[in-house]
Parts: sequence; structure tokens; C-alpha cells
Amino acid sequence: DIVMTQTPLSSPVTLGQPASISCRSSQSLVHSDGNTYLSWLQQRPGQPPRLLIYKISNRFSGVPDRFSGSGAGTDFTLKISRVEAEDVGVYYCMQATQFPLTFGGGTKVEIK
Amino acid sequence: QVQLQESGPGLVKPSGTLSLTCAVSGGSISSSNWWSWVRQPPGKGLEWIGEIYHSGSTNYNPSLKSRVTISVDKSKNQFSLKLSSVTAADTAVYYCASFPGTTNAFDIWGQGTMVTVSS
Repeated sequence: DIVMTQTPLSSPVTLGQPASISCRSSQSLVHSDGNTYLSWLQQRPGQPPRLLIYKISNRFSGVPDRFSGSGAGTDFTLKISRVEAEDVGVYYCMQATQFPLTFGGGTKVEIK
Repeated sequence: QVQLQESGPGLVKPSGTLSLTCAVSGGSISSSNWWSWVRQPPGKGLEWIGEIYHSGSTNYNPSLKSRVTISVDKSKNQFSLKLSSVTAADTAVYYCASFPGTTNAFDIWGQGTMVTVSS
């Protein structure tokens, strides 16, 4: 299985300041079709997960442009340019390059 | 806009079989999506269980494969999960989610249903 490792576990952030979450995979996420199937999900308290970013850097419909994704190969980053109160929750990276699909352990974003 | 809704018993006895259904509304289960089950134990992370295509093709997580069956009912526009020989470790919120080929990511999720394994 591909192991997805996220850092930090927790990220206390001041409102209006940036936040960054790292995700590292145990092997390359480049698929044989040339795509990299790395996505980011947000889970607000008491809610189901919500897709933010797919294929490394593509924002899903309705996602604010303060969210951005980058990376390649085995190292990926989710950035929030200016954290808002509604961004509080747990963020997960997920790979769909190889079965079984696997998730990172999650990073909790909270307000200082 | 496609919506997903899980349903099923909230309590299952140890060694029994967990059975859940995901109703798809606002779209057809015969679209070019895969349909997945994902679970989340209380206070923990996400685990992919498996997926099904409307043709009946399936992929399962090897860690659960011996106990899992996912099926589709096109006439009812729904898909289902059965997990046998359950233990307390299977206690979790179970989500159904859609996985389109356009994103290769879980773009739509149900609200989730809590299943507790206890006698």
C-alpha cells in the first residue's frame, strides 16, 4: 500500500495568516497514464469530507481561490493564503494512483 | 446536482453482518462514476473500503476484501455494502462517495451513518 504522511499533525493559525500542509507519499504518485492522482479534502467538525483540490492543483467547483495545491512525485503541499474562521477542520491528502486508495492521517487547522 | 444518502442499522452485533445502502439522487448510478464506501472510526482518519461501477465491476481494499461485498441496484439507483464477521474495530461512520473519472477524486459525499458493533 502507498503510505501517505502528513505534517504537521496540528496547525494553529492566526486569522488572515497563511497556512501550509505537507503530504508525502511512500512512492511516486505518477500514474502510468501520466497523471498524478493526489487530492486534498477538508472535513469541518461534524461534517463529511469535502473535495478541495484534485490532480495536485485543480480547485474543485466552488472552492475559494485562497486554497491552492502544488507538488510532484512524492511531495505535495496544500496552502491556504489567508485563513478564515470557516477553514477550521481537518485536512486530508489522498492518493488514487494505486489500489488500495489511501489517505493521509490528517492535519488539524485551528485558530490561535 | 447528485446527492448521496446512506441508510441502514446503527447497531450490529459482533460476528454479524453490517449492511448499508447508498441512494443516489439527482443523477444516474449508470453515469461514468465509480461509487465508493469509506469509513471513519470515531476520532480517527479515513479508510477506503471499496468501489463499484454500474456494470458490477468492483475493487476492494485487501485489508477488508475477505469480508466485503459491494453491489449495485440500477433499478433503484442505489448501491450497497455488506461487511461480514464484524467486531468492535468496525465501529465507524460509514460514508458513500462518488468518484468520477474526470477528477479521480471523491467529489460528492453522503452525510455518513454511524454504525456501532456491540452486543
